[in-house]
Amino acid sequence: GAGVSQSPSNKVTEKGKDVELRCDPISGHTALYWYRQSLGQGLEFLIYFQGNSAPDKSGLPSDRFSAERTGGSVSTLTIQRTQQEDSAVYLCASRFDRVTEAFFGQGTRLTVV
Amino acid sequence: AQSVTQPDIHITVSEGASLELRCNYSYGATPYLFWYVQSPGQGLQLLLKYFSGDTLVQGIKGFEAEFKRSQSSFNLRKPSVHWSDAAEYFCAVATMDTGRRALTFGSGTRLQVQP
Repeated sequence: GAGVSQSPSNKVTEKGKDVELRCDPISGHTALYWYRQSLGQGLEFLIYFQGNSAPDKSGLPSDRFSAERTGGSVSTLTIQRTQQEDSAVYLCASRFDRVTEAFFGQGTRLTVV
Repeated sequence: AQSVTQPDIHITVSEGASLELRCNYSYGATPYLFWYVQSPGQGLQLLLKYFSGDTLVQGIKGFEAEFKRSQSSFNLRKPSVHWSDAAEYFCAVATMDTGRRALTFGSGTRLQVQP
């Protein structure tokens, strides 16, 4: 499709397990963002990729969180040793460049039980 | 670094009434400005954007926003609210700062529409 695609749409995992969330941005978009949205809350910035530059990881809440963007396209957000407070919707967005709007995926709802 | 403030966390209006959602930004130059809407269980959808030119911009679903440089504001308006407008609204600022995040969101305003 032409939009930002995230998978899975829903993920239930046991506390302590690792999870991987995937984001397929719009083809040709150089910028990619991950956000976290807890229930009833706003957008919490996690990480930002721009082309081949070093990513801005300043929003990652702990060293259990990491993200990669392979070949300037697909991105994977990994959460190790999940905790209940990690339960949230994880949103991915991509932009063509710095001056255009961001397009969002539908998100992955993560539930840690 | 730029910042975005949405002073109203929650607003309730009656169906058919007018709406104004406030957004203030902090940035040294003219930024690029956006409003997004998030319906329950959905991702964010772009309502409108301002890059340059006419300071009153029209968007989808009958929304408009006005950029006021003197007030560092980009308020969202709609003359007559529909029940389907109940959602969360986010203002965002983008800049050309290199090496920075380049896109910052406000904390959002939740709109409730009363019949």
